[in-house]
Amino acid sequence: QQQVKQSPQSLIVQKGGISIINCAYENTAFDYFPWYQQFPGKGPALLIAIRPDVSEKKEGRFTISFNKSAKQFSLHIMDSQPGDSATYFCAARSGGGNEKLTFGTGTRLTIIP
Amino acid sequence: ETGVTQSPTHLIKTRGQQVTLRCSSQSGHNTVSWYQQALGQGPQFIFQYYREEENGRGNFPPRFSGLQFPNYSSELNVNALELDDSALYLCASIRTGSGELFFGEGSRLTVL
Repeated sequence: QQQVKQSPQSLIVQKGGISIINCAYENTAFDYFPWYQQFPGKGPALLIAIRPDVSEKKEGRFTISFNKSAKQFSLHIMDSQPGDSATYFCAARSGGGNEKLTFGTGTRLTIIP
Repeated sequence: ETGVTQSPTHLIKTRGQQVTLRCSSQSGHNTVSWYQQALGQGPQFIFQYYREEENGRGNFPPRFSGLQFPNYSSELNVNALELDDSALYLCASIRTGSGELFFGEGSRLTVL
């Protein structure tokens, strides 16, 4: 029940295209859903996050879509650029005053020219 | 830059040894958590400290222990190292209640 399932495992997108990464969860107690970007040799960096009372959040080229009834959320990267090539992790916070994050297994995104 | 620094960046130990990893959090962030990230996997929650007390723990054995100090620094200690402990260990500084975790760049531990 604590799992966060992420797909696809890897993704190749042409420059200028839209990258879409999907996540699904089971635990309805999760109360905060961030996405992290990680480059090789670096720690994860917070990209964008959403709370379950909102269906969509956009920051620049990055958009989170959230479907509470389906217990799914996704990251859309518009106009994908080679600099976006990284591993992306979705995560979910346990709630109840606990800051613990449960992470997905990651998506390795490659943007090709 | 996240303002979270970890040391050492890399280290090699042998099975059965003990290791201490260190983290310096952002000033004012009272909560710190530690995660283990195996190669090709997402980070796994080890434990969390709030005002120097452990207040959350993941599915890790007692040989994983920690400390948090009043100066926003913390430690992760691992005793009786096993080969499967080889991983990137991440410290995250948290502005309590925000949900926003700021990760350091990690300490990569190799156990031989």
